[in-house]
Amino acid sequence: DAKTTQPPSMDCAEGRAANLPCNHSTISGNEYVYWYRQIHSQGPQYIIHGLKNNETNEMASLIITEDRKSSTLILPHATLRDTAVYYCIVRVGIQGAQKLVFGQGTRLTINP
Amino acid sequence: EPEVTQTPSHQVTQMGQEVILRCVPISNHLYFYWYRQILGQKVEFLVSFYNNEISEKSEIFDDQFSVERPDGSNFTLKIRSTKLEDSAMYFCASSVTPGGGYTFGSGTRLTVV
Repeated sequence: DAKTTQPPSMDCAEGRAANLPCNHSTISGNEYVYWYRQIHSQGPQYIIHGLKNNETNEMASLIITEDRKSSTLILPHATLRDTAVYYCIVRVGIQGAQKLVFGQGTRLTINP
Repeated sequence: EPEVTQTPSHQVTQMGQEVILRCVPISNHLYFYWYRQILGQKVEFLVSFYNNEISEKSEIFDDQFSVERPDGSNFTLKIRSTKLEDSAMYFCASSVTPGGGYTFGSGTRLTVV
């Protein structure tokens, strides 16, 4: 699986959009970009995933660059409950039970 | 919203004892996983399970570990002879498709003394 690079920490004001970047310059054509988050010591929570098109769901938007070497997770109106560690993971999405390889992620702090 | 349920939430055991961590995945999910997280460290993959057999396991998942789906609902992780370094949060997860997002349980904190 391709390696990802994320900033170790970020701050965002409550109510503003939080934009979390991720570099995955060695991503291959069949690898998807996944985002999870972990609030305190809870189990990781799935947020969103995509292959090459931008994706949006009720939690967030995922913007993937045209060359697929980087992506941005956008939380449009961050709340205090969005404070968490956010993980960007790339993996092959099909073919069997594919594992997730977690890095250190970005610790996002939402400030009142 | 459907949940992955893990029991117990916290288990303390003596070194050398066997422990079984239990998980009830979401009912229509077909792919099952165990991960662990040692305090302050990354979440690490242990094993994936599909169609009643192990699909992949990590180097951590040695002969001391085993998984089982004894009936249609439970998915268990057994550690035969626990060591101090097995102390960690253990997370069970499941997914309906291999490419879909996982749903993780809230974890079992295992403390080996």
